[in-house]
Amino acid sequence: ETGVTQTPRHLVMGMTNKKSLKCEQHLGHNAMYWYKQSAKKPLELMFVYNFKEQTENNSVPSRFSPECPNSSHLFLHLHTLQPEDSALYLCASSLGDRGYEQFFGPGTRLTVL
Amino acid sequence: GENVEQHPSTLSVQEGDSAVIKCTYSDSASNYFPWYKQELGKGPQLIIDIRSNVGEKKDQRIAVTLNKTAKHFSLHITETQPEDSAVYFCAASKTGNQFYFGTGTSLTVIP
Repeated sequence: ETGVTQTPRHLVMGMTNKKSLKCEQHLGHNAMYWYKQSAKKPLELMFVYNFKEQTENNSVPSRFSPECPNSSHLFLHLHTLQPEDSALYLCASSLGDRGYEQFFGPGTRLTVL
Repeated sequence: GENVEQHPSTLSVQEGDSAVIKCTYSDSASNYFPWYKQELGKGPQLIIDIRSNVGEKKDQRIAVTLNKTAKHFSLHITETQPEDSAVYFCAASKTGNQFYFGTGTSLTVIP
């Protein structure tokens, strides 16, 4: 176990649904990240939060909405997704947001029908 | 932006043999190069990293080499074991929070 948990582990949703992914870290870290992992493609960084403040948004469509209420919790709210959004969504945390080892959770496997 | 290429995409070796995975990067300002191992059903886990002021780093059976002039770095695994079977990712970063990943290498160690 890396100290980063994600729920749910699997999610199937229709294009009109609204759902949320949850990430929690038990490591006392200050930075948290959302990544998208698609088959045959590199991991794509979506969002970075440091001390609850968003510091990076890599041109992610507005149908993905992150929320970081505190340094231990990170959410990804999903609405009106497209089938091409089906992927493994990984959460990670690190001590700081500059040059520190990132610890990844197991991911949420998302399927959009 | 940075572009990281990783080869090969799949690699099979006999147990006990060595495995080498290579990555190239495009941005000469990149200065941090981690390697991650991802097992089935798990997230990536950092196994070794190297910074641009060092040419080689070793940790037991795993080593990483960096050639800044040629902009490539490699992962070397010696005396491979079945539990080394996984997908390995390289990455490059110049800011410490933006990581650019390779497309991964699926390593299979045949007992």
